[in-house]
Amino acid sequence: DTAVSQTPKYLVTQMGNDKSIKCEQNLGHDTMYWYKQDSKKFLKIMFSYNNKELIINETVPNRFSPKSPDKAHLNLHINSLELGDSAVYFCASSPLGTGELFFGEGSRLTVL
Amino acid sequence: GNSVTQMEGPVTLSEEAFLTINCTYTATGYPSLFWYVQYPGEGLQLLLKATKADDKGSNKGFEATYRKETTSFHLEKGSVQVSDSAVYFCALSAGGGSQGNLIFGKGTKLSVKP
Repeated sequence: DTAVSQTPKYLVTQMGNDKSIKCEQNLGHDTMYWYKQDSKKFLKIMFSYNNKELIINETVPNRFSPKSPDKAHLNLHINSLELGDSAVYFCASSPLGTGELFFGEGSRLTVL
Repeated sequence: GNSVTQMEGPVTLSEEAFLTINCTYTATGYPSLFWYVQYPGEGLQLLLKATKADDKGSNKGFEATYRKETTSFHLEKGSVQVSDSAVYFCALSAGGGSQGNLIFGKGTKLSVKP
């Protein structure tokens, strides 16, 4: 069983489109995250949810909107995609209070 | 602010060579420190961690010691294998481990040749 799973793994789309990436974790963790990894492998946190509530919202364009229907799911919706949004997006989860993250395999988004 | 600086890669070693990847940090308070590893095409995995000064984290032959006096958390392995080829990330949690807002270094790519 995959602990943190994201879909789709690859996404190629045109500028201006809207797309979503889904994430699910079966570890029973309270906290979930979205991280963005750029072409140079630099990782930066975008959002964090604890038990469906937003707790971290870094400086991210408001075209990016996370949604957590329950504590096992955290989806990322992106409106009006731009070339600079091309990256690998990682979902992660962690038990509360540990700082230890469990990552999904990533979703590679390519905007043409 | 809080930050992590790790040595630039790529690092290329022969099998059985000794590995050191340097990591230093800037933080207020007492952060927890982590090393994560990313194998090709995969997500990051926790390799080891240390939550207080002088703690040594270890896993799979890798070690790192939390040195508060030098604000460092260098990763070492005595004898690397081809299967250790990956990107290694040093990270800190400024909330002392209470939050997952990890601040990552830029990653160091390791290539081990047979």
